[in-house]
Amino acid sequence: AQTVTQSQPEMSVQEAETVTLSCTYDTSENNYYLFWYKQPPSRQMILVIRQEAYKQQNATENRFSVNFQKAAKSFSLKISDSQLGDTAMYFCAFMPDSGGGADGLTFGKGTHLIIQP
Amino acid sequence: KAGVTQTPRYLIKTRGQQVTLSCSPISGHRSVSWYQQTPGQGLQFLFEYFSETQRNKGNFPGRFSGRQFSNSRSEMNVSTLELGDSALYLCASSLAGLGGEKLFFGSGTQLSVL
Repeated sequence: AQTVTQSQPEMSVQEAETVTLSCTYDTSENNYYLFWYKQPPSRQMILVIRQEAYKQQNATENRFSVNFQKAAKSFSLKISDSQLGDTAMYFCAFMPDSGGGADGLTFGKGTHLIIQP
Repeated sequence: KAGVTQTPRYLIKTRGQQVTLSCSPISGHRSVSWYQQTPGQGLQFLFEYFSETQRNKGNFPGRFSGRQFSNSRSEMNVSTLELGDSALYLCASSLAGLGGEKLFFGSGTQLSVL
């Protein structure tokens, strides 16, 4: 089974600043996918970004980018020019290439990100 | 294209009762999975259905069951409710439930067991 660890329960930054959320994971799989999901107060999980482990290039989606370090099993999310609407819980998640099996999508405990005006 | 729809949004039940939650996936998606979210345990995988068959199952007791219909809509049932079943239940759909596919989530059903 794999584990996902998010060591920052809560973070707070000023609007327009850049913030980095940390995530580490542990797995014996060689091929897998990593995700960052955002859960605003509406409770709906929204996919922010996805990274394929076999791709060395870090994924980017507009203001969101990741720093994927496969050897270190680290997958951090960087949010540039943060906006008030970025305030939410952020979850790091893992899925083997073979599918979730009995674990499904494995989530970390989440980081509550607060963007201050 | 409509998103994943979960009904009802809120439910209040008492211990010992049973409950059924519903999930309508995005049109064309054939895989539906369910997750339980609690403050203490976080997000935990319940089960996944594909083409009306349970394909994967998490580590939950048999009181938790589900099914999927031919139109890919899914229901989840919890029997003999316990206080610890109070949680947000999230449903997610994807095209085929393959490892790298993006999961699209609904807004969840908040279940309170009194």
